[in-house]
Amino acid sequence: KAGVTQTPRYLIKTRGQQVTLSCSPISGHRSVSWYQQTPGQGLQFLFEYFSETQRNKGNFPGRFSGRQFSNSRSEMNVSTLELGDSALYLCASSWGGSHGDEQFFGPGTRLTVL
Amino acid sequence: GEDVEQSLFLSVREGDSSVINCTYTDSSSTYLYWYKQEPGAGLQLLTYIFSNMDMKQDQRLTVLLNKKDKHLSLRIADTQTGDSAIYFCAEERSTGRRALTFGSGTRLQVQP
Repeated sequence: KAGVTQTPRYLIKTRGQQVTLSCSPISGHRSVSWYQQTPGQGLQFLFEYFSETQRNKGNFPGRFSGRQFSNSRSEMNVSTLELGDSALYLCASSWGGSHGDEQFFGPGTRLTVL
Repeated sequence: GEDVEQSLFLSVREGDSSVINCTYTDSSSTYLYWYKQEPGAGLQLLTYIFSNMDMKQDQRLTVLLNKKDKHLSLRIADTQTGDSAIYFCAEERSTGRRALTFGSGTRLQVQP
């Protein structure tokens, strides 16, 4: 069974631009969560989608948004990029999205904002 | 509140046991996880424990949970150079927002 895949793996953007990252969950998984990893703040929860609906949201500004499609694939979008948005963005998928369901992470997309 | 703390660095010799410690503050945490991250890679789920358990063993890995002190540890027996990585503990509450709260990670260096 294929794991969680994320595209692209690396991305370079400039301040003010916007970016879209993609995540394909493990086949059959319906929940997708997104996390941001930076050296200063560590791993922080962005949001979770289940059955095309955002169920949970972390403490990030509205510039960060996402969506989920009927095939459970998810995208996250960051508008008006800032230098501080440079990070590794990880997505995780799980089966049913219940508390305690194991979350499997993808390799991440490394975003660099210049 | 939610806060997970780990020591930043641990160095051991190959063949020794490694013990990575973690403390958490949220008393409603029910699920506790250990993830491994190698350079340039995502997070690999190693093992997990529910808060109604005290210990869980999985091959070379042993997880101990002290609920009274909110202390979690991961013991790696017969540590190998391939175990060198950053190890994250994470907690998940049983109710409310479904999200993992991670510690800052412990960098394990295994010397040959």
